[in-house]
Amino acid sequence: NAGVTQTPKFQVLKTGQSMTLQCAQDMNHEYMSWYRQDPGMGLRLIHYSVGAGITDQGEVPNGYNVSRSTTEDFPLRLLSAAPSQTSVYFCASRLGTPNYEQYFGPGTRLTVT
Amino acid sequence: GNSVTQMEGPVTLSEEAFLTINCTYTATGYPSLFWYVQYPGEGLQLLLKATKADDKGSNKGFEATYRKETTSFHLEKGSVQVSDSAVYFCALSDRTGGSYIPTFGRGTSLIVHP
Repeated sequence: NAGVTQTPKFQVLKTGQSMTLQCAQDMNHEYMSWYRQDPGMGLRLIHYSVGAGITDQGEVPNGYNVSRSTTEDFPLRLLSAAPSQTSVYFCASRLGTPNYEQYFGPGTRLTVT
Repeated sequence: GNSVTQMEGPVTLSEEAFLTINCTYTATGYPSLFWYVQYPGEGLQLLLKATKADDKGSNKGFEATYRKETTSFHLEKGSVQVSDSAVYFCALSDRTGGSYIPTFGRGTSLIVHP
């Protein structure tokens, strides 16, 4: 199993540009989520999904869109990048039951200038 | 709602010292508890977990016991190594109430000097 994969690993955007961060998992996990990690802020949940076709907002959803058309893929779209979105983004997945652990991807380091 | 509080870092220790990182939680239901570790430049990975009261999770010399009476899940290791330098996150997932969203603490940075 490849686990959770994320692409790209690094990205630099100009303010106003849009892009999609890719996330895929091959473990047939129902639950997937996106976090951003900023210094001193811990992990903050952006969006999550409990299965294909179902998504919901987390703590900091503004400026981001998600979709879940398949069990495997959960892309995160930045609609119009802003410097405040400079961060490290992690995708995670888990079996549907909350007492299972999450598996995290390696992260995407995004800089918006 | 649910919350996790863990001690602020950084925690700085010499090699072979004893480690404790405190973690306390509040939860509406009966949660499962986790410790994750994040090495520099990497994503989080599970270190250990416990799913019911008095369970002890252990891995790589680290241990934590699920204490329902004190709502705590403190991480301990008897003798740390330089390679243990990382950020440690305490987390919970609630098995009741239909919540799917795990709750994380802010993370505690551990620095181990030779």
